[in-house]
Amino acid sequence: GQSLEQPSEVTAVEGAIVQINCTYQTSGFYGLSWYQQHDGGAPTFLSYNALDGLEETGRFSSFLSRSDSYGYLLLQELQMKDSASYFCAVRIEGNYQLIWGAGTKLIIKP
Amino acid sequence: DTGVSQNPRHKITKRGQNVTFRCDPISEHNRLYWYRQTLGQGPEFLTYFQNEAQLEKSRLLSDRFSAERPKGSFSTLEIQRTEQGDSAMYLCASDGSSRNEQFFGPGTRLTVL
Repeated sequence: GQSLEQPSEVTAVEGAIVQINCTYQTSGFYGLSWYQQHDGGAPTFLSYNALDGLEETGRFSSFLSRSDSYGYLLLQELQMKDSASYFCAVRIEGNYQLIWGAGTKLIIKP
Repeated sequence: DTGVSQNPRHKITKRGQNVTFRCDPISEHNRLYWYRQTLGQGPEFLTYFQNEAQLEKSRLLSDRFSAERPKGSFSTLEIQRTEQGDSAMYLCASDGSSRNEQFFGPGTRLTVL
């Protein structure tokens, strides 16, 4: 079967750094994506990793280790607007379908 | 281009009725996806089109669900004989680049009474 594991909830303080982990077990792997979804909103793309290593985009970075079937999303200088759910999603080799984790709700306290 | 649009935004129906949703993707995107999302869960893949061809359909999708993309532009998702378990947010997304970024519409929230 296909499964992605990520924590259900993470709490952090405004201005801090937080890491959201994702481990996956899938039949075939092409790349790992991260999406943000605010309550009542649609998912929006944050990052994509196909190769091992760190990808940085502003305050957000994403890391992938293919050998460990593991990735994480790192959010720096947290702002209240970052309060949202964050989803990791795996693209399977050979097609464009995404398999999604259940999401991590990020709660930010002032 | 204003992004992916979906209509209607909300649909309330009685069990056993048929419903149809529409998705208009970003115009230059050739791939279109349908997902279903329930509260506290990630989007669940339903089906995907490349141009007008339906290339993948989830094995979880019952025969009551059908999707079309007749001219490779907009798509429709029909659910026949709706059940209360069909209540969910139905999301449409499109992409057309190698960047692996899917652009999502605002979704259609279906409530089956």
